[in-house]
Amino acid sequence: GAGVSQTPSNKVTEKGKYVELRCDPISGHTALYWYRQSLGQGPEFLIYFQGTGAADDSGLPNDRFFAVRPEGSVSTLKIQRTERGDSAVYLCASSRGNANTGELFFGEGSRLTVL
Amino acid sequence: TQLLEQSPQFLSIQEGENLTVYCNSSSVFSSLQWYRQEPGEGPVLLVTVVTGGEVKKLKRLTFQFGDARKDSSLHITAAQPGDTGLYLCAGNRDNYGQNFVFGPGTRLSVLP
Repeated sequence: GAGVSQTPSNKVTEKGKYVELRCDPISGHTALYWYRQSLGQGPEFLIYFQGTGAADDSGLPNDRFFAVRPEGSVSTLKIQRTERGDSAVYLCASSRGNANTGELFFGEGSRLTVL
Repeated sequence: TQLLEQSPQFLSIQEGENLTVYCNSSSVFSSLQWYRQEPGEGPVLLVTVVTGGEVKKLKRLTFQFGDARKDSSLHITAAQPGDTGLYLCAGNRDNYGQNFVFGPGTRLSVLP
């Protein structure tokens, strides 16, 4: 498909477990974003990649959260020792990244539930 | 701490009514975007505004960027049930790239 793809679409895990969420951006998009959205809230910024490097990771809530984009395309968000408060929809977006007016294209999100 | 605030938080109106929702910040943004999000989907871009005082129209939707580039409004004329959704504003903190932070959104419900 031509859009942003996120897997899994749903993930249920137990408190303390490790979770990986994957994002496949639109081909050729250099910028990639991770946001977290709780029910009834707006997306909360987590991290923004420009190419392979994290241009801004100031939104990561603590050191249990980590994201990589080793080849400048697919990105993985990793959450260690999950807590119930991590339950949310994790949204990924990509953009061309070459102007301050570019459109962010979002995936449908990965819904994480920590029991 | 929210960089962007949106009001009202919830709005329920009848089909055919007009409405305005607001996005406010104490920060200056290089550009500001409005998105609409429906349940189970990611946000979809409606418009980007860049210049202070800029007004853009998209059919029945009118967007305005404040003169100081700190706030914005979205006005909908003759709302329709298809306008129902979560309206999000997003401010760009980066002058050269795209580093967007989102507001909490206004949830609009248009009743037939």
